[in-house]
Amino acid sequence: QITLKESGPTLVKPTQTLTLTCNVSGFSLSTRGAGVGWIRQPPGKALEWLALVYWDDDEHYSPSLESRLTITKDTSKNQVVLTLTNFDPVDTGTYYCALAYTLGSYLKRGWFDPWGQGTQVTVSS
Amino acid sequence: DIQMTQSPSSLSASVGDRITITCRASQDIGNYLNWYQQKPGKAPNLLIYATSSLQSGVPSRFSGSGFATYFVLTISGLQPEDFATYYCQQSFSTPRTFGQGTKLEIK
Repeated sequence: QITLKESGPTLVKPTQTLTLTCNVSGFSLSTRGAGVGWIRQPPGKALEWLALVYWDDDEHYSPSLESRLTITKDTSKNQVVLTLTNFDPVDTGTYYCALAYTLGSYLKRGWFDPWGQGTQVTVSS
Repeated sequence: DIQMTQSPSSLSASVGDRITITCRASQDIGNYLNWYQQKPGKAPNLLIYATSSLQSGVPSRFSGSGFATYFVLTISGLQPEDFATYYCQQSFSTPRTFGQGTKLEIK
């Protein structure tokens, strides 16, 4: 069974850097075709894709957040880390990581499954 | 960026009804279209991938169709557990983009 679990702070002060970790169990991130994405959801709003990293270290970012985001993969720990600099109140929400594993004609064009349970991050005054 | 537009934004229906949700892409995405279901306080769950392939464990009352820029999610014979929010998502290119969601409520 493949599971993903996000971890990180629940409160972040404005201008601080948010660091989130996604631990993956039951699947090796070094597997050809494997990718891990980060998606967030502000309260009551839609899903927003943030970043994606593949087994070959190919990285992709949301253009609107690219200057603030960094995604890194640690194959030895089987985890993916997302950092978001200069945290702002509008960054408040639930952050999910999800696996995108596909081969063939869907290589690097796959769907997200499964997802982690999500971690809630709120701006702290 | 490819824009994904879902309609309607919300929908009221009764148990047993057949409903459709549409998703339009701002450019041709082939069949790289996926559907997710999200219940309150829970992570999204994959329903359909590659336009029409049913994810393992998903009931057969869910189906997907379409191609290029127009896609449809159909639920035939709504069950109480189907009342949730549904999202489409394109995986043709990055940045990956989601639709704004369709909230399905009980009438």
